[in-house]
Amino acid sequence: GAGVSQSPSNKVTEKGKDVELRCDPISGHTALYWYRQSLGQGLEFLIYFQGNSAPDKSGLPSDRFSAERTGGSVSTLTIQRTQQEDSAVYLCASSSRTGDTQYFGPGTRLTVL
Amino acid sequence: EDKVVQSPLSLVVHEGDTVTLNCSYEVTNFRSLLWYKQEKKAPTFLFMLTSSGIEKKSGRLSSILDKKELFSILNITATQTGDSAIYLCAVTSGTYKYIFGTGTRLKVLA
Repeated sequence: GAGVSQSPSNKVTEKGKDVELRCDPISGHTALYWYRQSLGQGLEFLIYFQGNSAPDKSGLPSDRFSAERTGGSVSTLTIQRTQQEDSAVYLCASSSRTGDTQYFGPGTRLTVL
Repeated sequence: EDKVVQSPLSLVVHEGDTVTLNCSYEVTNFRSLLWYKQEKKAPTFLFMLTSSGIEKKSGRLSSILDKKELFSILNITATQTGDSAIYLCAVTSGTYKYIFGTGTRLKVLA
């Protein structure tokens, strides 16, 4: 594809519901990152995938957050039992190799009512 | 703890002005420093700097890195309303970690 794509672009959910956010990286990019950006804040690292290696989950804020990357390509970020403080823009980025320039997707704006 | 600090937090200028945005950092295993422009949701890449003292330039934007003093500046000359955005600085540490600053929000008035 031409760039990183994410879906949905916007998601409104009720507190306590589960949500799934999807990221489709640039074809051939082996590194994939998830970030969270709350209003007026910088990017908060959540999780990193590199090829078939074990992901770095050190940025996940709680055990309600999990992510998978299937076949080294598409990734899904799942938030269980959403809370209002989970409201943010969730950004996905990919790069051709570790430490290279990251290319960002358009993000998913999550609103938890 | 690794950190990236940007200043100012926000800035309002008029078209035609020149602005300088600052980014200082304290990280272990520094690899590179990157600047991004964020207008809506997705940050777009501007520059990657790895060597001290070498200016990167693209049109009216330029950036330079000082690895001794641990900072970088992003200059924008002859600003236009289209330059209004949040400018993010990030530093890569170790093999893959990106540490982002909170950004500088620039508003250019017509």
